[in-house]
Amino acid sequence: GESVGLHLPTLSVQEGDNSIINCAYSNSASDYFIWYKQESGKGPQFIIDIRSNMDKRQGQRVTVLLNKTVKHLSLQIAATQPGDSAVYFCAENAGSNSGYALNFGKGTSLLVTP
Amino acid sequence: EAQVTQNPRYLITVTGKKLTVTCSQNMNHEYMSWYRQDPGLGLRQIYYSMNVEVTDKGDVPEGYKVSRKEKRNFPLILESPSPNQTSLYFCASSFRGVRGVRTEAFFGQGTRLTVV
Repeated sequence: GESVGLHLPTLSVQEGDNSIINCAYSNSASDYFIWYKQESGKGPQFIIDIRSNMDKRQGQRVTVLLNKTVKHLSLQIAATQPGDSAVYFCAENAGSNSGYALNFGKGTSLLVTP
Repeated sequence: EAQVTQNPRYLITVTGKKLTVTCSQNMNHEYMSWYRQDPGLGLRQIYYSMNVEVTDKGDVPEGYKVSRKEKRNFPLILESPSPNQTSLYFCASSFRGVRGVRTEAFFGQGTRLTVV
């Protein structure tokens, strides 16, 4: 089946800088995307989502950008803090053939250094 | 508090000994799923359920069973566990949104299973 992937497996940023985590998807039928944060020893936690009828959505310190033309999704974290250190996953809605299941990327590890 | 609860959090068992991992959600969600998480492979869906008595296979269903007799519970059953089922397991639930499209999934804290 089609899959969701990430450009970079690890990302190291300095505290206070902005972080950008990228994700490529290949299923053109996908119409819903989610970013999750997973801290060590915990389950994935919802950060922000976006539907395909939008190209940008903002939350608190986070922005998700969707480029359907090139099937690319990104998560921007403003003023990155030590508490942002975690693994970040993008996920796509796989469509009706898969019961609208979510397909997850393999994750990007974000390390925030002082 | 809205949550997905899995039990147990940690389990070590022997090959072939049947086990059940329970999952319960208190948000009245229609959708529930089980995932396993392995290094380098990310989260892979095992089984999912769109509602009571409706279950279907995910990407890696071999060796697992599920049931959905009540809306809030979705147990994962390993009839004869094998070492390749050693993994971190997550249960998740979500509402069904417009046109059946899923909304964000809420995840449990995980169950770390070791089969020796």
